[in-house]
Amino acid sequence: GAGVSQSPSNKVTEKGKDVELRCDPISGHTALYWYRQRLGQGLEFLIYFQGNSAPDKSGLPSDRFSAERTGESVSTLTIQRTQQEDSAVYLCASSLVSSGEQFFGPGTRLTVL
Amino acid sequence: AQSVAQPEDQVKVAEGNPLTVKCTYSVSGNPYLFWYVQYPNRGLQFLLKYITGDNLVKGSYGFEAEFNKSQTSFHLKKPSALVSDSALYFCAVRDREKRGNNRLAFGKGNQVVVIP
Repeated sequence: GAGVSQSPSNKVTEKGKDVELRCDPISGHTALYWYRQRLGQGLEFLIYFQGNSAPDKSGLPSDRFSAERTGESVSTLTIQRTQQEDSAVYLCASSLVSSGEQFFGPGTRLTVL
Repeated sequence: AQSVAQPEDQVKVAEGNPLTVKCTYSVSGNPYLFWYVQYPNRGLQFLLKYITGDNLVKGSYGFEAEFNKSQTSFHLKKPSALVSDSALYFCAVRDREKRGNNRLAFGKGNQVVVIP
């Protein structure tokens, strides 16, 4: 594809439910990042994948958050037992190499009722 | 630690006037610096980056930024603003000296409003 795609674009869920967010990076990009953007705030780093290396999970806010990546393709971010404070836009980005500029997807807007 | 400060919440400018969006950074080593723009309900779009070399970096849509090491700044500029430049602008930094550091630190963003 031409760019990073994310699905769903919007997700409304009830408190306590699990959600799964998907990211399709640009083909050939070895690095993949997840960020969270709360209303009116900057981007908060969550997790980073680079090739087959162990992911950098240091930004995940709690053990309810996890992410996986299949090889150098699709990634899923899972939030278990969602809380209202999880409501945010979740952005995925990919880059050709870890030092390159990151290309962002349109985001998934998560609303936890 | 690496961080970015974007001191102004909002920047207002009349169409046709020069636009400046300020950014200062903090890293222990040398920085990679980036500017991104976010239009409503859309993801971030890359504008420009400083890696090494010439301190004046030219990017997309007529934007440029100047790396100033002594002032630890990387202000974004455009000589003549357009109404379509109204958006949220993010500065980001990565410490390139720190082994294994792959994350960008983003500022909180500046809302630019260009008045017709």
